[in-house]
Amino acid sequence: KAGVTQTPRYLIKTRGQQVTLSCSPISGHRSVSWYQQTPGQGLQFLFEYFSETQRNKGNFPGRFSGRQFSNSRSEMNVSTLELGDSALYLCASSLSIGNPSHGYTFGSGTRLTVV
Amino acid sequence: SQQGEEDPQALSIQEGENATMNCSYKTSINNLQWYRQNSGRGLVHLILIRSNEREKHSGRLRVTLDTSKKSSSLLITASRAADTASYFCATDGRNYGQNFVFGPGTRLSVLP
Repeated sequence: KAGVTQTPRYLIKTRGQQVTLSCSPISGHRSVSWYQQTPGQGLQFLFEYFSETQRNKGNFPGRFSGRQFSNSRSEMNVSTLELGDSALYLCASSLSIGNPSHGYTFGSGTRLTVV
Repeated sequence: SQQGEEDPQALSIQEGENATMNCSYKTSINNLQWYRQNSGRGLVHLILIRSNEREKHSGRLRVTLDTSKKSSSLLITASRAADTASYFCATDGRNYGQNFVFGPGTRLSVLP
Protein backbone atom coordinates (compact mmCIF):
# COMPACT_ATOMS: atom_id res chain seq x y z
CA LYS A 1 0.00 0.00 0.00
CA ALA A 2 1.08 3.58 -0.58
CA GLY A 3 3.12 5.23 2.15
CA VAL A 4 2.86 8.70 3.57
CA THR A 5 3.01 11.24 0.77
CA GLN A 6 4.28 14.74 1.32
CA THR A 7 4.15 17.44 -1.28
CA PRO A 8 5.97 19.34 -2.49
CA ARG A 9 9.33 17.66 -2.00
CA TYR A 10 11.30 20.89 -2.19
CA LEU A 11 10.25 24.49 -1.83
CA ILE A 12 12.05 27.83 -1.94
CA LYS A 13 10.27 30.86 -0.54
CA THR A 14 11.15 34.45 0.25
CA ARG A 15 11.02 35.97 3.71
CA GLY A 16 7.57 37.30 4.51
CA GLN A 17 5.75 34.89 2.21
CA GLN A 18 3.50 32.12 3.38
CA VAL A 19 3.63 28.44 2.50
CA THR A 20 1.32 25.44 2.64
CA LEU A 21 2.62 21.89 2.90
CA SER A 22 0.53 18.82 2.32
CA CYS A 23 0.55 15.35 3.81
CA SER A 24 -1.51 12.34 2.75
CA PRO A 25 -1.36 9.59 5.38
CA ILE A 26 -1.48 5.88 4.78
CA SER A 27 -4.96 4.79 3.83
CA GLY A 28 -6.93 4.09 6.99
CA HIS A 29 -4.62 6.08 9.24
CA ARG A 30 -6.46 8.82 11.07
CA SER A 31 -3.67 10.44 13.06
CA VAL A 32 -1.23 12.85 11.45
CA SER A 33 1.66 14.54 13.24
CA TRP A 34 4.03 17.18 11.96
CA TYR A 35 7.66 17.69 12.91
CA GLN A 36 10.25 20.30 12.01
CA GLN A 37 13.82 19.11 11.67
CA THR A 38 16.80 21.46 11.67
CA PRO A 39 20.50 20.78 12.29
CA GLY A 40 20.47 22.98 15.37
CA GLN A 41 17.21 21.97 17.06
CA GLY A 42 16.76 18.44 15.82
CA LEU A 43 13.24 17.06 15.53
CA GLN A 44 10.69 19.40 17.05
CA PHE A 45 7.03 18.47 17.38
CA LEU A 46 4.64 20.90 15.70
CA PHE A 47 1.14 19.44 16.07
CA GLU A 48 -0.94 16.31 15.93
CA TYR A 49 -4.35 15.85 14.34
CA PHE A 50 -6.88 13.10 14.75
CA SER A 51 -10.33 13.02 13.21
CA GLU A 52 -9.98 16.60 11.94
CA THR A 53 -9.20 17.92 15.43
CA GLN A 54 -5.90 19.22 16.70
CA ARG A 55 -5.09 17.04 19.69
CA ASN A 56 -1.66 18.30 20.63
CA LYS A 57 0.49 21.29 19.79
CA GLY A 58 4.18 21.93 20.21
CA ASN A 59 5.89 25.11 21.26
CA PHE A 60 5.81 27.03 17.99
CA PRO A 61 4.53 30.54 17.29
CA GLY A 62 1.07 31.14 15.91
CA ARG A 63 2.54 31.58 12.42
CA PHE A 64 2.51 27.81 12.28
CA SER A 65 -0.92 26.32 11.81
CA GLY A 66 -2.45 23.20 10.43
CA ARG A 67 -5.63 21.38 9.68
CA GLN A 68 -6.90 17.94 8.83
CA PHE A 69 -9.59 17.10 6.34
CA SER A 70 -12.30 14.44 6.52
CA ASN A 71 -10.17 12.11 4.39
CA SER A 72 -7.36 12.47 6.99
CA ARG A 73 -5.14 14.45 4.66
CA SER A 74 -3.42 17.25 6.50
CA GLU A 75 -1.94 20.58 5.62
CA MET A 76 0.33 22.84 7.56
CA ASN A 77 0.73 26.52 6.88
CA VAL A 78 3.50 28.88 7.83
CA SER A 79 2.82 32.57 7.44
CA THR A 80 5.27 35.46 7.36
CA LEU A 81 8.22 33.18 6.72
CA GLU A 82 11.49 33.81 8.48
CA LEU A 83 14.96 32.57 7.56
CA GLY A 84 14.89 30.34 10.61
CA ASP A 85 11.91 28.45 9.22
CA SER A 86 14.19 26.77 6.72
CA ALA A 87 13.97 23.11 7.64
CA LEU A 88 12.85 19.65 6.69
CA TYR A 89 9.18 19.30 7.60
CA LEU A 90 8.15 15.74 8.30
CA CYS A 91 4.70 14.30 8.51
CA ALA A 92 3.95 11.04 10.30
CA SER A 93 0.78 9.00 10.28
CA SER A 94 -0.61 6.28 12.49
CA LEU A 95 -3.84 4.36 12.89
CA SER A 96 -4.71 5.90 16.20
CA ILE A 97 -3.68 8.63 18.55
CA GLY A 98 -1.59 8.12 21.63
CA ASN A 99 1.05 5.44 21.70
CA PRO A 100 0.59 3.23 18.66
CA SER A 101 2.26 -0.10 19.17
CA HIS A 102 3.48 -0.14 15.59
CA GLY A 103 5.11 3.25 15.67
CA TYR A 104 4.63 6.08 13.26
CA THR A 105 5.14 5.99 9.51
CA PHE A 106 6.93 9.03 8.22
CA GLY A 107 6.85 10.67 4.83
CA SER A 108 10.01 11.72 3.02
CA GLY A 109 9.49 15.31 4.08
CA THR A 110 9.32 18.71 2.45
CA ARG A 111 12.58 20.63 2.35
CA LEU A 112 11.72 24.32 2.80
CA THR A 113 14.34 26.94 2.13
CA VAL A 114 13.58 30.55 3.02
CA VAL A 115 15.77 33.15 1.31
CA SER B 1 13.83 19.78 28.75
CA GLN B 2 14.56 17.10 26.22
CA GLN B 3 13.23 13.67 27.07
CA GLY B 4 15.53 11.45 25.06
CA GLU B 5 19.20 11.93 24.34
CA GLU B 6 21.38 9.59 22.32
CA ASP B 7 25.00 8.81 22.90
CA PRO B 8 27.40 8.94 21.14
CA GLN B 9 26.59 11.80 18.78
CA ALA B 10 28.60 10.13 16.04
CA LEU B 11 29.99 6.65 15.57
CA SER B 12 32.23 5.30 12.85
CA ILE B 13 32.88 1.58 12.46
CA GLN B 14 34.02 -0.94 9.88
CA GLU B 15 31.62 -3.22 8.04
CA GLY B 16 31.02 -6.38 9.98
CA GLU B 17 31.51 -4.77 13.37
CA ASN B 18 28.74 -4.22 15.89
CA ALA B 19 27.39 -0.75 16.61
CA THR B 20 25.90 0.23 19.94
CA MET B 21 23.95 3.43 20.54
CA ASN B 22 22.51 4.55 23.83
CA CYS B 23 19.53 6.66 24.76
CA SER B 24 18.79 8.24 28.11
CA TYR B 25 15.54 9.84 29.15
CA LYS B 26 14.30 11.77 32.13
CA THR B 27 10.79 10.73 33.12
CA SER B 28 8.83 7.50 33.22
CA ILE B 29 7.68 6.16 29.87
CA ASN B 30 5.11 3.79 28.44
CA ASN B 31 7.35 2.76 25.61
CA LEU B 32 10.46 3.76 23.72
CA GLN B 33 10.99 3.59 19.99
CA TRP B 34 14.02 3.64 17.73
CA TYR B 35 13.98 5.17 14.27
CA ARG B 36 16.50 5.38 11.44
CA GLN B 37 16.88 8.28 9.05
CA ASN B 38 18.89 8.21 5.88
CA SER B 39 20.32 11.55 4.88
CA GLY B 40 17.59 14.09 4.25
CA ARG B 41 14.83 11.51 4.18
CA GLY B 42 11.96 10.54 6.44
CA LEU B 43 12.31 8.41 9.53
CA VAL B 44 11.83 4.67 9.43
CA HIS B 45 10.43 2.93 12.48
CA LEU B 46 12.78 0.17 13.63
CA ILE B 47 11.48 -1.20 16.88
CA LEU B 48 9.30 -0.38 19.87
CA ILE B 49 9.97 -1.65 23.36
CA ARG B 50 7.40 -1.33 26.12
CA SER B 51 8.22 -0.29 29.65
CA ASN B 52 7.60 -3.82 30.94
CA GLU B 53 10.02 -5.36 28.45
CA ARG B 54 13.76 -5.61 28.98
CA GLU B 55 14.96 -6.77 25.60
CA LYS B 56 13.67 -7.07 22.10
CA HIS B 57 15.11 -8.40 18.85
CA SER B 58 14.37 -7.70 15.22
CA GLY B 59 16.73 -9.22 12.69
CA ARG B 60 20.17 -7.76 13.35
CA LEU B 61 18.76 -5.28 15.84
CA ARG B 62 18.71 -5.76 19.57
CA VAL B 63 17.16 -3.20 21.89
CA THR B 64 17.40 -3.20 25.65
CA LEU B 65 15.55 -1.08 28.14
CA ASP B 66 16.54 -0.38 31.72
CA THR B 67 13.77 1.63 33.33
CA SER B 68 15.65 1.90 36.62
CA LYS B 69 18.47 3.73 34.82
CA LYS B 70 16.09 5.39 32.37
CA SER B 71 18.16 4.22 29.46
CA SER B 72 17.94 2.12 26.33
CA SER B 73 20.48 0.78 23.92
CA LEU B 74 20.29 -0.20 20.27
CA LEU B 75 22.75 -2.80 19.03
CA ILE B 76 23.23 -3.43 15.33
CA THR B 77 25.17 -6.61 14.75
CA ALA B 78 27.32 -7.39 11.71
CA SER B 79 26.89 -3.86 10.37
CA ARG B 80 26.71 -3.11 6.67
CA ALA B 81 27.44 0.02 4.68
CA ALA B 82 23.68 0.34 4.15
CA ASP B 83 23.27 0.83 7.92
CA THR B 84 24.92 4.25 7.55
CA ALA B 85 22.26 6.64 8.83
CA SER B 86 21.17 8.65 11.84
CA TYR B 87 19.43 6.78 14.61
CA PHE B 88 16.94 8.39 16.95
CA CYS B 89 15.20 7.23 20.07
CA ALA B 90 11.72 8.54 20.74
CA THR B 91 9.91 8.54 24.04
CA ASP B 92 6.37 9.27 25.02
CA GLY B 93 6.21 13.02 25.39
CA ARG B 94 2.62 13.45 26.46
CA ASN B 95 3.74 14.85 29.77
CA TYR B 96 5.45 17.55 27.72
CA GLY B 97 2.43 18.27 25.58
CA GLN B 98 3.84 16.35 22.65
CA ASN B 99 3.22 12.94 21.20
CA PHE B 100 6.78 11.64 20.85
CA VAL B 101 9.96 13.42 21.80
CA PHE B 102 13.02 12.63 19.74
CA GLY B 103 16.59 12.82 20.88
CA PRO B 104 19.28 14.56 18.81
CA GLY B 105 20.31 11.27 17.23
CA THR B 106 23.48 9.26 16.68
CA ARG B 107 25.12 9.55 13.29
CA LEU B 108 26.43 6.09 12.34
CA SER B 109 28.94 5.67 9.55
CA VAL B 110 29.77 2.14 8.45
CA LEU B 111 32.91 2.06 6.38
CA PRO B 112 33.37 -0.64 3.71
